[in-house]
Amino acid sequence: DAMVIQNPRYQVTQFGKPVTLSCSQTLNHNVMYWYQQKSSQAPKLLFHYYDKDFNNEADTPDNFQSRRPNTSFCFLDIRSPGLGDAAMYLCATSRDRGGTVGSYEQYFGPGTRLTVT
Amino acid sequence: SQKIEQNSEALNIQEGKTATLTCNYTNYSPAYLQWYRQDPGRGPVFLLLIRENEKEKRKERLKVTFDTTLKQSLFHITASQPADSATYLCALYYNQGGKLIFGQGTELSVKP
Repeated sequence: DAMVIQNPRYQVTQFGKPVTLSCSQTLNHNVMYWYQQKSSQAPKLLFHYYDKDFNNEADTPDNFQSRRPNTSFCFLDIRSPGLGDAAMYLCATSRDRGGTVGSYEQYFGPGTRLTVT
Repeated sequence: SQKIEQNSEALNIQEGKTATLTCNYTNYSPAYLQWYRQDPGRGPVFLLLIRENEKEKRKERLKVTFDTTLKQSLFHITASQPADSATYLCALYYNQGGKLIFGQGTELSVKP
């Protein structure tokens, strides 16, 4: 089945120690998103890629970076994790960004739960 | 900035009843609105989409309405089952900005 895969499902890192979360998709979608979701809160968009075009949200801290080496894979790098970065990180894909061209639902992976000690 | 409000209190209903969840927003009406289901520790799953020029959309036991005058969407689950227990998120898409903005979700609990 076509899907969005995130590894690892659970990640523990130390304060200030760089960490990378990975996402892969078999849907061949153009757009890949990274969201941060804290307990009982709305998913918060960090950034997205439209093909190779990177789109950063204005309020995403510089501590968060992303790479998309090819259509299938996307990585979230947290350069110096703080305690406030502990959250669920969700990767999602969509066929396009929507708007006047169309309206496309997003397909989410299972998430990576990040703990910072 | 745009604000989305979903009932933060959990909704508890009896099996077989209709569950109704509310999504209110401020300022401009979105081009379209989506509803997602999220189970604990999992990613959201898309359920339904409704456009600004549509009043109602149905899919099996699910129904979504969209009232741009009230700036509100209602999400109904008829003949609810314990398996429907989850958190339901609404998400709004605006052409300006080009992204989905999620509400914090409402937790639904269906008791047998």
